[in-house]
Amino acid sequence: DGGITQSPKYLFRKEGQNVTLSCEQNLNHDAMYWYRQDPGQGLRLIYYSQIVNDFQKGDIAEGYSVSREKKESFPLTVTSAQKNPTAFYLCASSRPGQPRDEQYFGPGTRLTVT
Amino acid sequence: GESVGLHLPTLSVQEGDNSIINCAYSNSASDYFIWYKQESGKGPQFIIDIRSNMDKRQGQRVTVLLNKTVKHLSLQIAATQPGDSAVYFCAERSGGSYIPTFGRGTSLIVHP
Repeated sequence: DGGITQSPKYLFRKEGQNVTLSCEQNLNHDAMYWYRQDPGQGLRLIYYSQIVNDFQKGDIAEGYSVSREKKESFPLTVTSAQKNPTAFYLCASSRPGQPRDEQYFGPGTRLTVT
Repeated sequence: GESVGLHLPTLSVQEGDNSIINCAYSNSASDYFIWYKQESGKGPQFIIDIRSNMDKRQGQRVTVLLNKTVKHLSLQIAATQPGDSAVYFCAERSGGSYIPTFGRGTSLIVHP
């Protein structure tokens, strides 16, 4: 089955540590995205990538980094520079330019930093 | 900047009632709109979309209405079921950009 996966589902880290969240898709989508969701809030865009080896900052990129070495993979690193890293992180992919062009979301990773 | 927002953060209905979730947008250049459903602890899922050259689109038990004059979008769910309980987001995109802007979301609670 085609889909988008994120791992792990729950992640706990100590303050000051970097942590990398995994996102993989087998939908052959060109575009991939990372969002952050806080309780009772909408989705805020962290980074996005339209093609391999290229990515752009979203609205809240500070304290985060990404890579896009493969079409299928778009890992997100939450660095120690991120002031409030505890949140629910969602990865998505899409195929820009198609008639129906929605984003397909993964199940999310809930990160807790103490 | 321009944004997408929702009128009601929480909507409570009885099972079997029809539900209407509203969304206001401010970008007059928006030409593509999507409704997503997000169940607790999961990622959002596509429900229905509509382009700006339409004012109504129907799916299975759902209807999206678009009023470009007042920049308003609504999602109607017929015969609401407990399984419809979730947070519903509208998202809009303007021509030339494939990056959507999401609203804050409305929590729909369906009472049996």
